[in-house]
Amino acid sequence: DAKTTQPNSMESNEEEPVHLPCNHSTISGTDYIHWYRQLPSQGPEYVIHGLTSNVNNRMASLAIAEDRKSSTLILHRATLRDAAVYYCILRRWGSARQLTFGSGTQLTVLP
Amino acid sequence: GAGVSQSPRYKVAKRGQDVALRCDPISGHVSLFWYQQALGQGPEFLTYFQNEAQLDKSGLPSDRFFAERPEGSVSTLKIQRTQQEDSAVYLCASSLGGTSYEQYFGPGTRLTVT
Repeated sequence: DAKTTQPNSMESNEEEPVHLPCNHSTISGTDYIHWYRQLPSQGPEYVIHGLTSNVNNRMASLAIAEDRKSSTLILHRATLRDAAVYYCILRRWGSARQLTFGSGTQLTVLP
Repeated sequence: GAGVSQSPRYKVAKRGQDVALRCDPISGHVSLFWYQQALGQGPEFLTYFQNEAQLDKSGLPSDRFFAERPEGSVSTLKIQRTQQEDSAVYLCASSLGGTSYEQYFGPGTRLTVT
């Protein structure tokens, strides 16, 4: 599986936007980009996924570079409840198999 | 609706004891996964079921680890003769399968081996 690279940690102020970067320079044409997050003492939860076009849902937006070698998860207005570890994961199209987690980015939201 | 549930939430075992961890997936979910998460690290894959069939057990760290899903719903992860290095959070996830990508995770079972 192609690997992803994320910063170990980031900080944001409450009610400000947060941009979480992910590099995936060896991504293949059939790899989807998935984001999960893990709040303290909970299991991971799905956030968003995309292939080529930017995606929006109620939780976040996903901006994908034109060459697909990087992506950015955007939280439009961070709240204290968004403090979590965010994982960027590549998943081959059609695969119902396991997720391969890296170490993720620990997001701290400051009041 | 009900999510993925796991029991017990916490388990303390003495080294050498056997433990059994239970996972109740979301009703109707075909795929079920077990992951192990050490402190400060991301979850690591252990094993994968599609209905009752165990399609991949490549992540199980040793033959002391055994998982089953006999009727295609509830799953049990068993660890025999526990060792200190087995201390971790064990996460269960389920998904509809097929082209449905989203996995739904339970809260995990924190196992501490003393």
